[in-house]
Amino acid sequence: AQSVTQLGSHVSVSEGALVLLRCNYSSSVPPYLFWYVQYPNQGLQLLLKYTTGATLVKGINGFEAEFKKSETSFHLTKPSAHMSDAAEYFCAVSAFMDSSYKLIFGSGTRLLVRP
Amino acid sequence: DAGVIQSPRHEVTEMGQEVTLRCKPISGHDYLFWYRQTMMRGLELLIYFNNNVPIDDSGMPEDRFSAKMPNASFSTLKIQPSEPRDSAVYFCASSQGHPGNEQFFGPGTRLTVL
Repeated sequence: AQSVTQLGSHVSVSEGALVLLRCNYSSSVPPYLFWYVQYPNQGLQLLLKYTTGATLVKGINGFEAEFKKSETSFHLTKPSAHMSDAAEYFCAVSAFMDSSYKLIFGSGTRLLVRP
Repeated sequence: DAGVIQSPRHEVTEMGQEVTLRCKPISGHDYLFWYRQTMMRGLELLIYFNNNVPIDDSGMPEDRFSAKMPNASFSTLKIQPSEPRDSAVYFCASSQGHPGNEQFFGPGTRLTVL
């Protein structure tokens, strides 16, 4: 069965430090992969996506993610954290489950940015 | 484009009452999804539609929940009767062309059942 695992429900970094949010997936076919961000009291917003082609994907707000098939990973990074990056981040994989396609979301990682 | 529109943004009701949540997807999108988000269970897919037809309702928790999509620009999620455990944030999302494509989320409806 397809699934998404996000390691660490909370990640805390200092402002200006590297951000690394981990995501591993299981999928029997080449996946579509996504990262979404959710700011307080708002809906989810797409950060970036991988479908085919270049494995390093750049998104909004300086975030990027690399698809590594051998590691079944799609980790999200940003070189320098900003206070405004504090939010919850969700990794998702497009999967065929129970006779239909759907997005399978991870449990989310809350990013805290310390001044 | 205005994005996905949901109403109301907040709803407080008493146990046993009927609750109706509304969603207007992005124009031209042919898939519509209803999700529920709670601290305990995270983000759960309840049901999704393609071209106004329900495709997968396996996530609907029980018969108290029902969803309709009478046309391409409007969908409702109804809970009757509501219970305190239904308290959550309910999101509507839409996408185009394939259910596995990126989804665009509305701002959500925060439901509190007393």
